Amino acid sequence: ETGVTQTPRHLVMGMTNKKSLKCEQHLGHNAMYWYKQSAKKPLELMFVYSLEERVENNSVPSRFSPECPNSSHLFLHLHTLQPEDSALYLCASSQSGRMNTEAFFGQGTRLTVV
Amino acid sequence: AQSVTQLGSHVSVSEGALVLLRCNYSSSVPPYLFWYVQYPNQGLQLLLKYTTGATLVKGINGFEAEFKKSETSFHLTKPSAHMSDAAEYFCAVSRYNQAGTALIFGKGTTLSVSS
Repeated sequence: ETGVTQTPRHLVMGMTNKKSLKCEQHLGHNAMYWYKQSAKKPLELMFVYSLEERVENNSVPSRFSPECPNSSHLFLHLHTLQPEDSALYLCASSQSGRMNTEAFFGQGTRLTVV
Repeated sequence: AQSVTQLGSHVSVSEGALVLLRCNYSSSVPPYLFWYVQYPNQGLQLLLKYTTGATLVKGINGFEAEFKKSETSFHLTKPSAHMSDAAEYFCAVSRYNQAGTALIFGKGTTLSVSS
């Protein structure tokens, strides 16, 4: 496989459930990101990991918990979510510290909270 | 802080017509700018990027963009629209701070193409 792969592609969960989103990149990058894309809102940068260390948390509620066990994998653990958390969650990777480099995106996980 | 503003949330053109999607940026340092495209239920795909050098940048699928520092703009154009160009387009600027680099996106512009 190449590029950035996200699983699952679709997820429906109840407000009391616990689930995890997975992202894997095969590009040799050392930075990974979670973005949230809601209807009629801009892409929101949620978390930034550089060299497996969380370097940015943009005021994301604690019901979202990221994990980066190595430079190729990124998880987003979800618990006690709210209906307004329904969105497309996008993972991306890039080379950290290089502003002229683009980010590569996965296809996203469409999350619906019921 | 760096940011981008996309003018017009929805643009409609006829097949074969010129496509123009507008993006203005704000940056206290020389910006690195990007255009991405997103098809329904897909991730974002890079169309083109401006880093340094030539201000007219050519990308995939016949798109190009011109960096104009005096106008703080990076508008995306395509001479002749095709039905397959219908998608959402995002302008982005690269941000660097003590936390590292990340892309900051505009709100997006939905392009509709009619036959």
